Amino acid sequence: QKEVEQDPGPLSVPEGAIVSLNCTYSNSAFQYFMWYRQYSRKGPELLMYTYSSGNKEDGRFTAQVDKSSKYISLFIRDSQPSDSATYLCAFSYSGAGSYQLTFGKGTKLSVIP
Amino acid sequence: GAVVSQHPSRVICKSGTSVKIECRSLDFQATTMFWYRQFPKQSLMLMATSNEGSKATYEQGVEKDKFLINHASLTLSTLTVTSAHPEDSSFYICSARDIGGQGLSNYGYTFGSGTRLTVV
Repeated sequence: QKEVEQDPGPLSVPEGAIVSLNCTYSNSAFQYFMWYRQYSRKGPELLMYTYSSGNKEDGRFTAQVDKSSKYISLFIRDSQPSDSATYLCAFSYSGAGSYQLTFGKGTKLSVIP
Repeated sequence: GAVVSQHPSRVICKSGTSVKIECRSLDFQATTMFWYRQFPKQSLMLMATSNEGSKATYEQGVEKDKFLINHASLTLSTLTVTSAHPEDSSFYICSARDIGGQGLSNYGYTFGSGTRLTVV
């Protein structure tokens, strides 16, 4: 079983739609959960960071963590063409000092005007 | 917010030559930087952890003599791909964390824009 599973898509939605992106993980030692957005030929940009089960909201983005199911989600409301990118989930054991990240493969999202 | 600058953004080199990629933290100091490689439609794979003033730590399967890492200052780490071959063609990305930063830049890592290496 892979440590992190993420559906690579591609996922195509109309502008204004609600987008749901998901990752499952097998390592129960992961304590910190992140979502990155990566535009083509660019480095990833951190969108959301959380360390507990439940929901965390930031503007149009909501990150959801279910530690019991080892499942995390990112919801994008009122999606915009500018949201078109690859979204990567990332996990770490620690949030202190310098820690290593484990990434999913990324889901490519296209928002059609 | 924290900014990481990576240079060059794109490089084409001949097989057998060496290529140096620079990663700079522009407005913060980073004792640790990470180097990743990303193949098309694949995830970021950690290659090595670069530590200021000491030797880098390489992940299993990464040849340290081929991928030379130097972290000579708190704001600069370099990755040199020596004797490059076509199979080294990839997207290389560095990252660092602004531990003293605010908000997301404090919690998560900031990535450079990446370097597209093509070996012909």
